[in-house]
Amino acid sequence: EVQLVESGGGLVQPGRSLRLSCTASGFTFGDYAMSWVRQAPGQGLEWVSFIRSKTYGEATGYAASVKGRFTMSRDDSKSIAYLQMNSLKTEDTAVYYCTRIRGLNIDYWGQGTLVTVSS
Amino acid sequence: QSALTQPASVSGSPGQSITISCTGTDSDVGDYNYVSWYQHPPGKAPKLIIYEVSNRPSGVSNRFSGSKSGNTASLTISGLQAEDEADYYCNSYTRSSTYVFGTGTKVTV
Repeated sequence: EVQLVESGGGLVQPGRSLRLSCTASGFTFGDYAMSWVRQAPGQGLEWVSFIRSKTYGEATGYAASVKGRFTMSRDDSKSIAYLQMNSLKTEDTAVYYCTRIRGLNIDYWGQGTLVTVSS
Repeated sequence: QSALTQPASVSGSPGQSITISCTGTDSDVGDYNYVSWYQHPPGKAPKLIIYEVSNRPSGVSNRFSGSKSGNTASLTISGLQAEDEADYYCNSYTRSSTYVFGTGTKVTV
């Protein structure tokens, strides 16, 4: 059974940093691209970032709203994907979901972790 | 990248069919067949119900079907049931090698 478990969320002040982790199980992590999607309170889903597998050079992509501030990485030996979030803004407040990408389709989702950016 | 356009809400009676539209551009929905649909019940994780325009993952009811014409994709739920009440989102891969979600549709039964 595919499982994705996010951790690392919490309350952080504007301008500070936070790192989210996504621990995967139930599939060969290194064979898949991974992605982060967020949902701000009362808003819709917003794609944030992806990282391809080592086969594809671990290439990354980011939404314009986070490019230059967020960095996604992965540790295939631990089956963990990370999202390093710097220079956080109040508008980054959201539930952050870790997702798996199969082919070019986002298929499985974690339960999400809440990030609150507030002074 | 602007969000794909969906109706804010759609409602129907049990047993009826409803269709949710998802309108994008030549750079996303119109350019690729990588359009997916997700069911998102309140407080739960989203669930993939349609991928690559019209394919259903194993275990998803055949009451859910998808299609696409030009820059608009559609999700049809037939034989509407109370358990279908949720928010529904479309998603597309884009020419910029990114992803974009729809604005979301609240389905009420």
